[in-house]
Amino acid sequence: GENVEQHPSTLSVQEGDSAVIKCTYSDSASNYFPWYKQELGKRPQLIIDIRSNVGEKKDQRIAVTLNKTAKHFSLHITETQPEDSAVYFCASVGPGYSTLTFGKGTMLLVSP
Amino acid sequence: EAQVTQNPRYLITVTGKKLTVTCSQNMNHEYMSWYRQDPGLGLRQIYYSMNVEVTDKGDVPEGYKVSRKEKRNFPLILESPSPNQTSLYFCASRSGGNLNEQFFGPGTRLTVL
Repeated sequence: GENVEQHPSTLSVQEGDSAVIKCTYSDSASNYFPWYKQELGKRPQLIIDIRSNVGEKKDQRIAVTLNKTAKHFSLHITETQPEDSAVYFCASVGPGYSTLTFGKGTMLLVSP
Repeated sequence: EAQVTQNPRYLITVTGKKLTVTCSQNMNHEYMSWYRQDPGLGLRQIYYSMNVEVTDKGDVPEGYKVSRKEKRNFPLILESPSPNQTSLYFCASRSGGNLNEQFFGPGTRLTVL
C-alpha cells in the first residue's frame, strides 16, 4: 500500500520567517495531495491541496509544490505568524480512492 | 450547517466493556472513515465505507467493528476494549470521487483502564 513520509517532525521558526514541510509518497498512481492543519485540541482541517496535473498552487501565504517524478510534495508557509503554530499533516490519495494515507505530522511552533 | 458529529466526545471505560462511538454526517457523503490518532504515529485509518452496506478494513482494524446501515451514520464498535485502544478517534466523510475534501468530526478521546 501507499507509504507517506513527512519531515521534519518538529519545526521551530521565528515570526516572519518561512517554514517548509516535506513529504514523499511511494505509489506513483497517487493523484491528490491534501494538507491538513490541526490546532491543539481540534480536528484536522484542510488548508490547501494539489492535484497531480499541477506543479504548484498558492493561497495567500501558503503554497504547495509537487514533483511527480521524484514523488515528493512540500508545504511552504511564508511570513509565519504565531497563529500558524499547529500540527500539519500531508496526505496522499490514489485514483481508486480507498485510503487517504497520512504522514506522521509536523509540529510547527512560531515564536513571537 | 454541514458537519460531521461524533458522540461521546470523551469516554473513560474499563477493559472488556463493549462500547460504541457514533458518527453522523449531514452532507449526503458516500465515503466515511474512522481514524485513530496517537502521538508520533499520526492518523491511521481503522475502517472505511464507500457506501451503505460497503465497509472495508484500513491499516489498523484489529479490535474494531463498524457498520453502515444508513448513509449518514457510521458507528465504531469496540466489542472488548483494551488499554492499547486508548486514543483519540476521528470520524471523517467526503463525497464520491477521490479529489474531494475530507471533513473530520470533532474527535472522541477514549481512555480504557
